[in-house]
Amino acid sequence: ETGVTQTPRHLVMGMTNKKSLKCEQHLGHNAMYWYKQSAKKPLELMFVYNFKEQTENNSVPSRFSPECPNSSHLFLHLHTLQPEDSALYLCASSPGRRANQPQHFGDGTRLSIL
Amino acid sequence: DQQVKQNSPSLSVQEGRISILNCDYTNSMFDYFLWYKKYPAEGPTFLISISSIKDKNEDGRFTVFLNKSAKHLSLHIVPSQPGDSAVYFCAASYMNYGGSQGNLIFGKGTKLSVKP
Repeated sequence: ETGVTQTPRHLVMGMTNKKSLKCEQHLGHNAMYWYKQSAKKPLELMFVYNFKEQTENNSVPSRFSPECPNSSHLFLHLHTLQPEDSALYLCASSPGRRANQPQHFGDGTRLSIL
Repeated sequence: DQQVKQNSPSLSVQEGRISILNCDYTNSMFDYFLWYKKYPAEGPTFLISISSIKDKNEDGRFTVFLNKSAKHLSLHIVPSQPGDSAVYFCAASYMNYGGSQGNLIFGKGTKLSVKP
């Protein structure tokens, strides 16, 4: 039980499909994050939300569109993805945006683009 | 250009012995460092951290050492147990650096195998 739940755990989609990844945290945290982990690469920060407001977009292509309706939920809307977007997508949350408030991660969504 | 480097992709250790995982960083602005552990099919779990004002932090079997002049940190696990077998990620962050505070910059990870 991580306190951060991601659905679905696995997703296979074509390049023309539209899908969404969902993240929910039950920890009462105020900050939420999306990360991408590709094979043989470090985790890469994609987006940061703090109190529902997007505070960081780490040069992510517009085919990835985040949404944070409240502090407990975070979505990543996907459309017209490319094969290189196949990766593990991890959601995380933290009490605030200070480094000494460690981020708690979900178990990720394994995304495969056909 | 990687700012956080874990140069050993894997490490194998006998149960009961010490495991030492290493991490180097290049950005002198980093002032907070964390270690995460990841089991297969699970997300990373926070393990231990250290502020740049310290050179050592200990939590049970886990100790992190920081050498700022060398821009190097290490995680020691003593004694190592088979349940410690996992991928260990080093991460660096900023306590006070404008909008980037709290952002984590990760290394690629080291896979630790502890043999019974």
